[in-house]
Amino acid sequence: ETGVTQTPRHLVMGMTNKKSLKCEQHLGHNAMYWYKQSAKKPLELMFVYSLEERVENNSVPSRFSPECPNSSHLFLHLHTLQPEDSALYLCASSLRRDRGYTIYFGEGSWLTVV
Amino acid sequence: TQLLEQSPQFLSIQEGENLTVYCNSSSVFSSLQWYRQEPGEGPVLLVTVVTGGEVKKLKRLTFQFGDARKDSSLHITAAQPGDTGLYLCAGVTEGDYKLSFGAGTTVTVRA
Repeated sequence: ETGVTQTPRHLVMGMTNKKSLKCEQHLGHNAMYWYKQSAKKPLELMFVYSLEERVENNSVPSRFSPECPNSSHLFLHLHTLQPEDSALYLCASSLRRDRGYTIYFGEGSWLTVV
Repeated sequence: TQLLEQSPQFLSIQEGENLTVYCNSSSVFSSLQWYRQEPGEGPVLLVTVVTGGEVKKLKRLTFQFGDARKDSSLHITAAQPGDTGLYLCAGVTEGDYKLSFGAGTTVTVRA
């Protein structure tokens, strides 16, 4: 139990579907992150929210849409995805992003786009 | 080009042997973390180091932060099959406070 919970753990969706990934942190953190991890590629930072405000968006296609309604919850809304979007999506959280912060990951959501 | 270079990329050893994984950069970090990730799971934090020259021990794992805060190493003594996994280093760069990850080292410990 890392204090960061992701649901669902596994998701299979068609290219025309709309689905959402959910993340909840119980660590009292105020920054939350979405990362993408594909086979044989390094972790890719997608979005960062700090104090519920999006502070980073690393050229992610608009078919991925994040939402952070409060400091404990983060969503990733998915629509019209492509097969190459199949990957492990990791949520993480940390205290405010200043000197020496550490991020804690959830267990990940395996996404398969068919 | 990765900000943090990890080596080796793959490491396969026999149970009971020792191993060292390296994480190097030309940038200075205000903190550096090591994570272990098992297949299908999220990375689990092993340690955070913040002081140049710092050495931390976690049972059979020894972590060292370089004096100049540009590199780090992870040493495992008497490796066990349970140590198998992907080891990731991550660092927060001084000044912009951005977190970067290395590409990881896949460690396999054979029984």
